[in-house]
Amino acid sequence: DSGVTQTPKHLITATGQRVTLRCSPRSGDLSVYWYQQSLDQGLQFLIQYYNGEERAKGNILERFSAQQFPDLHSELNLSSLELGDSALYFCASSAGGFNEQFFGPGTRLTVL
Amino acid sequence: GQQLNQSPQSMFIQEGEDVSMNCTSSSIFNTWLWYKQDPGEGPVLLIALYKAGELTSNGRLTAQFGITRKDSFLNISASIPSDVGIYFCAGQEGAQKLVFGQGTRLTINP
Repeated sequence: DSGVTQTPKHLITATGQRVTLRCSPRSGDLSVYWYQQSLDQGLQFLIQYYNGEERAKGNILERFSAQQFPDLHSELNLSSLELGDSALYFCASSAGGFNEQFFGPGTRLTVL
Repeated sequence: GQQLNQSPQSMFIQEGEDVSMNCTSSSIFNTWLWYKQDPGEGPVLLIALYKAGELTSNGRLTAQFGITRKDSFLNISASIPSDVGIYFCAGQEGAQKLVFGQGTRLTINP
């Protein structure tokens, strides 16, 4: 158990809909990262937050957004969903910089 | 942008065999990390490397930070069934984001 929690575990929705994925980092970690992993693919970095502020952006679509709240949990919002958005979405946390990230169990999103 | 080449893409071995995989980068990295991912689960950090030439072990796993700072190696000795999974390398250049390799899928025949 990495100490990072994600909810929900599974999410099934339809095209055009909007969903919110939630992540709670390890106790004491200030940084939260979001990754997308499509079937049999590597991990694609989406976005990083550090202590409530956006720190870095990766290949995140404009339809996607994220935020980190004062209690340090983070939410990833995916809107106008398309079939190609079906993937595993992982949250990771670290104490500060990018190294030694600890991953949550992921949310499997299926868009029908 | 930064690219990591991880090889091999897949391995099929017999239980008890040793395993070697590696990652090479087009950039110089100051950190190399190795993760293992089981199906449907999140990646688990196995080993972190911070210095060129560093050799670090975690049980039967040994990883090395290449002298050129552009590569890293992971070895697994005497493989067992629970070693099955996908192994990812990840590298960091300065304070930049982590870049992940495409993974090595390890399959073990009992």
